[in-house]
Amino acid sequence: DSGVTQTPKHLITATGQRVTLRCSPRSGDLSVYWYQQSLDQGLQFLIQYYNGEERAKGNILERFSAQQFPDLHSELNLSSLELGDSALYFCASSAYGTDTGELFFGEGSRLTVL
Amino acid sequence: GQQVMQIPQYQHVQEGEDFTTYCNSSTTLSNIQWYKQRPGGHPVFLIQLVKSGEVKKQKRLTFQFGEAKKNSSLHITATQTTDVGTYFCAARMDSSYKLIFGSGTRLLVRP
Repeated sequence: DSGVTQTPKHLITATGQRVTLRCSPRSGDLSVYWYQQSLDQGLQFLIQYYNGEERAKGNILERFSAQQFPDLHSELNLSSLELGDSALYFCASSAYGTDTGELFFGEGSRLTVL
Repeated sequence: GQQVMQIPQYQHVQEGEDFTTYCNSSTTLSNIQWYKQRPGGHPVFLIQLVKSGEVKKQKRLTFQFGEAKKNSSLHITATQTTDVGTYFCAARMDSSYKLIFGSGTRLLVRP
């Protein structure tokens, strides 16, 4: 158990819909990362927050947005969903917001868009 | 964009054989991390290398960071079926907070 909690574990929805994925980092970790992993693919970096502030951005689509709240949990919002958005979305947390520190991953939220 | 190239994509070995995966970058890396993802699981941190030429060992696993800090390798000696999974390197390029993952090497071990 990494200490990172992601909900929901599974989500099935239709094209055009909007979903919200939630992540609670490990206790005390200030940094949250979001990654997308399509079937048998690598981990695509989406976005990172540190103590409520956006710290780094990857190739995140404009239809996607995220935020980190004062209690440090984070949400990833995916809108106008397309079939290609079907993937496993991982959240990870780290104690640090700098250029070091290991990431602790949650078990992921598997999104299926039909 | 910033990329970390990882090879091979797949490696299928007989139990007891050795395994190596390589990561390469065109730019200097601040540090490099290695993760393992078991089938159906989430990535789990293995190690971080920071210094030029650094070598670290964890039982049968040996990690190396190149002298120029542009490449790294993970070597597993005498693989076991428990080594099955995908091994990812992950790196931050200089002055970046992004942790970019390599494409991963999927290791399959025949018992």
